[in-house]
Amino acid sequence: DARVTQTPRHKVTEMGQEVTMRCQPILGHNTVFWYRQTMMQGLELLAYFRNRAPLDDSGMPKDRFSAEMPDATLATLKIQPSEPRDSAVYFCASGQLTSWAGELFFGEGSRLTVL
Amino acid sequence: AQKVTQAQTEISVVEKEDVTLDCVYETRDTTYYLFWYKQPPSGELVFLIRRNSFDEQNEISGRYSWNFQKSTSSFNFTITASQVVDSAVYFCANLRLKYIFGTGTRLKVLA
Repeated sequence: DARVTQTPRHKVTEMGQEVTMRCQPILGHNTVFWYRQTMMQGLELLAYFRNRAPLDDSGMPKDRFSAEMPDATLATLKIQPSEPRDSAVYFCASGQLTSWAGELFFGEGSRLTVL
Repeated sequence: AQKVTQAQTEISVVEKEDVTLDCVYETRDTTYYLFWYKQPPSGELVFLIRRNSFDEQNEISGRYSWNFQKSTSSFNFTITASQVVDSAVYFCANLRLKYIFGTGTRLKVLA
């Protein structure tokens, strides 16, 4: 079965450190989303790409977060510098949204703890 | 603007009870899509169902059923004869250019 793969699954880091999370979307999917899940905020949309082009990153704190898709097999989410309030589970999801009707396939998430 | 509201943060039921999870959406678009996803304890969200704004037919899939009513902007999800394996967080989502999720409803089914 094709799956969305995220690394690392767990990351503990200290405040101020750079964190990079990686996602391998399902081959052939044209849309990739990054979400952050916390108890307080639920699932927040951070950014998304269609055909590797960033369409919306309005959900991201611009001063410290950046998202890229250097190629069709890799999406990255970087936090620099990280802060304790960034502690959350970060999900990547991909889909073939040719008519914006498609379902999303989620990775297992990257659990980030910033001390 | 898109918005999805799941007012029930947590529901507990005893096994075999029926349970309905509420979802209310806001959108200015005439064409949009609504979804339900399940997040089991393992963490990975799993797609359950999709509905487009032109199809108000209710749907039944085994013990699951969905009731879409545009008049009340609701897309509710009912589990009949709940089982412990149904315990999860359930998310409703609206898709129109971007996928917006509700805050989720945690369902606990007790044996």
